[in-house]
Order: sequence, then C-alpha cells, then structure tokens
Amino acid sequence: DAGVTQSPTHLIKTRGQQVTLRCSPISGHKSVSWYQQVLGQGPQFIFQYYEKEERGRGNFPDRFSARQFPNYSSELNVNALLLGDSALYLCASSLVGGLQMNTEAFFGQGTRLTVV
Amino acid sequence: KQEVTQIPAALSVPEGENLVLNCSFTDSAIYNLQWFRQDPGKGLTSLLLIQSSQREQTSGRLNASLDKSSGRSTLYIAASQPGDSATYLCAVEGGMRFGAGTRLTVKP
Repeated sequence: DAGVTQSPTHLIKTRGQQVTLRCSPISGHKSVSWYQQVLGQGPQFIFQYYEKEERGRGNFPDRFSARQFPNYSSELNVNALLLGDSALYLCASSLVGGLQMNTEAFFGQGTRLTVV
Repeated sequence: KQEVTQIPAALSVPEGENLVLNCSFTDSAIYNLQWFRQDPGKGLTSLLLIQSSQREQTSGRLNASLDKSSGRSTLYIAASQPGDSATYLCAVEGGMRFGAGTRLTVKP
C-alpha cells in the first residue's frame, strides 16, 4: 500500500505569490492534517479535515486555507506569501479525526517551500 | 494552552548505550501521545502511540511510557545503534501539539 504522498517535493515562490500543496492520504484514511515545520522546531498544526469538514484549525492567518475532496485527498493554499512562510509543509493522514483521535497519524515526506 | 517540552534538545552517545528521551506536557487531560522519528529534511515516521488509558507501549528496542498525572512521557531506546541517529519528536492530542524534538547522535 502506498503511504501518504505529497506533491510537489520542492517549490520556490516569490513573495506575494500564491501556492497550492497537495496530499493524498493512505487508502481508507478519512482524515488529513497539515503542519508547518520551520528548521529546528517541531511541526506546528495548521488544519485538520475529516470527512471533508474542517475539524481543527491552528493559530495561522487567514492567508492559509485548505480543503478536502470526496476522495479524501487535500490541498493547502497559502496566499500572499511571506519570507517567513518558508518551511517544510507536512501532511498526515489517519483513520479518523478530531481531538479524541485515538489512531496513529502517518506522515508524508513533506513539501519544502522556499519563498524568495 | 497545552505546551509540550522535550529535554534534552540534543544528545550524543556511543553505540550500544541505553538511553532515555523525555517529553513533558502541561495539560494532563490528553487523549493520546505519539512518538515520532524524523531524519533530516524528511517526514515523520511513527514509532509508538500510547492511548490515554495505557501506561506503556513497546516495539522492538523501543519502549515508551506515559504518566498523565505528572505530565510526562519517556522513550527508552535499548542498545543504541548509529542508525538510530535522528530527531525524536513527541506529540499529544492527535498531533495537534508537538515538542521541538531531541536530536540524537549515536557514534560508532
């Protein structure tokens, strides 16, 4: 079985541009979460989607948005990019979602976004 | 607000040593805690998941314990190997709150 897949693996964008990152969860998993990881820090939670509905949101500005599709894949959009948005963006999938999530989270290899 | 702290931030040990990594959290009302491994520039690999009703989990040379009342979890690695070199992260509440990680180096 394929694991969590993310695309693209690397991306370079200019300040002010918009970017879309994609994630395909493990087959059978209905929850997708997005994280931002700056070098030297742990991942910061951005969004969680379960059954195509937003179930959690971290402390990120409205420039960040996401959605989940009927096939449970997901996109993360970031508008008006800032230099500080440069990071590794990680996607995780799990069987179920919500704070009372008692199933393991499985991560993709991430998308390295560089904003210049 | 839940805060997760991992100590030490970095650790270097000779091959073969047994070692303990620590994770502490401020709000004991957690549902689960998960330990991950991350190689440089890569995604996270799940190591162990401990449910709130459990005290410990074991997988091979790894053993993780959870003490909710004291807000602590430990990851014990037995007979460390150079291949264990990586950053180890703990997360609570389904990954919604991560620690900054412990960077482990195992020297041959």
